[in-house]
Amino acid sequence: GENVEQHPSTLSVQEGDSAVIKCTYSDSASNYFPWYKQELGKRPQLIIDIRSNVGEKKDQRIAVTLNKTAKHFSLHITETQPEDSAVYFCAALGNSGYSTLTFGKGTMLLVSP
Amino acid sequence: DAGITQSPRYKITETGRQVTLMCHQTWSHSYMFWYRQDLGHGLRLIYYSAAADITDKGEVPDGYVVSRSKTENFPLTLESATRSQTSVYFCASSESYGYTFGSGTRLTVV
Repeated sequence: GENVEQHPSTLSVQEGDSAVIKCTYSDSASNYFPWYKQELGKRPQLIIDIRSNVGEKKDQRIAVTLNKTAKHFSLHITETQPEDSAVYFCAALGNSGYSTLTFGKGTMLLVSP
Repeated sequence: DAGITQSPRYKITETGRQVTLMCHQTWSHSYMFWYRQDLGHGLRLIYYSAAADITDKGEVPDGYVVSRSKTENFPLTLESATRSQTSVYFCASSESYGYTFGSGTRLTVV
């Protein structure tokens, strides 16, 4: 089955800096890659996603890039703010029959004022 | 996202007891999922369902039972709870790609 590795496990930045979280996946047939943000005590919420026919997608301060050849994708957050502090999960969806999302183990992002 | 609700929000139970976690969605999504979240493991899939009366195992199904007699409900039962099942349980639903999660149930087995 699919295996998703996520790095780093924790990331501390100063407010205004950029943050980058990286994920690799094992199944070359995977074709959908969402990112979820989970604030403390809350549910994971989808913040951005990308499909395999696209190399990059942006939404205001966040962007995701995908390199299918290398089987890795990354989340980029620019001009970080304290409210960006949360755990971020990447995930990958296979392309065989009905596949389910496989999640990375998460990155705890701490943005200090 | 009030369209998917979980109950109870918190539950303490004793080892060996049966406990059922409820999940209800109002969107008529075909797919529903149960994940458990543990520190250091992220979100791991327990069971999922593609439609009423169609369920399948995920990564960590042992000790759990699911049923889906109606599209909107997907209960998860721990037949004989163990301390290793102490976790936060999230239900999710989807019609295509994106998953929407419920608020979670924090289960403690003592």
